[in-house]
Amino acid sequence: NAGVMQNPRHLVRRRGQEARLRCSPMKGHSHVYWYRQLPEEGLKFMVYLQKENIIDESGMPKERFSAEFPKEGPSILRIQQVVRGDSAAYFCASSPSGPSTDTQYFGPGTRLTVL
Amino acid sequence: AQKITQTQPGMFVQEKEAVTLDCTYDTSDPSYGLFWYKQPSSGEMIFLIYQGSYDQQNATEGRYSLNFQKARKSANLVISASQLGDSAMYFCAMRGRWDYKLSFGAGTTVTVRA
Repeated sequence: NAGVMQNPRHLVRRRGQEARLRCSPMKGHSHVYWYRQLPEEGLKFMVYLQKENIIDESGMPKERFSAEFPKEGPSILRIQQVVRGDSAAYFCASSPSGPSTDTQYFGPGTRLTVL
Repeated sequence: AQKITQTQPGMFVQEKEAVTLDCTYDTSDPSYGLFWYKQPSSGEMIFLIYQGSYDQQNATEGRYSLNFQKARKSANLVISASQLGDSAMYFCAMRGRWDYKLSFGAGTTVTVRA
């Protein structure tokens, strides 16, 4: 019973390049959440998606960041023209449903380093 | 909006002893869920325990128990019989009943000494 999968685990990009982070939710889970963890801080919510729908992107920076969860395939968090301040750990979580008290299960994270 | 406060940045505990990690919260939601996650040095986030605001009993999961005091808005995590593998960062988080995003505290680092 595979958990939440994220790849790559580590990603190094130079300033101005694009970063693509992938997340496959747990089997049976149709709700995906992305969080960002800056060094020495807790996780901060970025975006919540269901299949083919962005439900809440209130935590996403207005520019350069986008997310999708297509009908087929993993959820993608895309960061265009990366800057050093984007260096962080990006976590994906999934749950079987959205609201209520369903636990969100996290993937291992992708650690993005911007040189 | 929810706010989580973890005031202990770091703690040391002797192996086999119990340790309590503090967590206080603030919310206007009448119904909510409280969660604890463990983040070892390898970086993954591991779910430990959940407490619903209307649950009558404090949650327990193996060596983890949650000391839930609703009137004080606190949800402290108790780890009994600490093991070396418990050394990690621990995060308290909450979510409103009809909310979906978790709000996290800043975390507490626990170091278990042999």
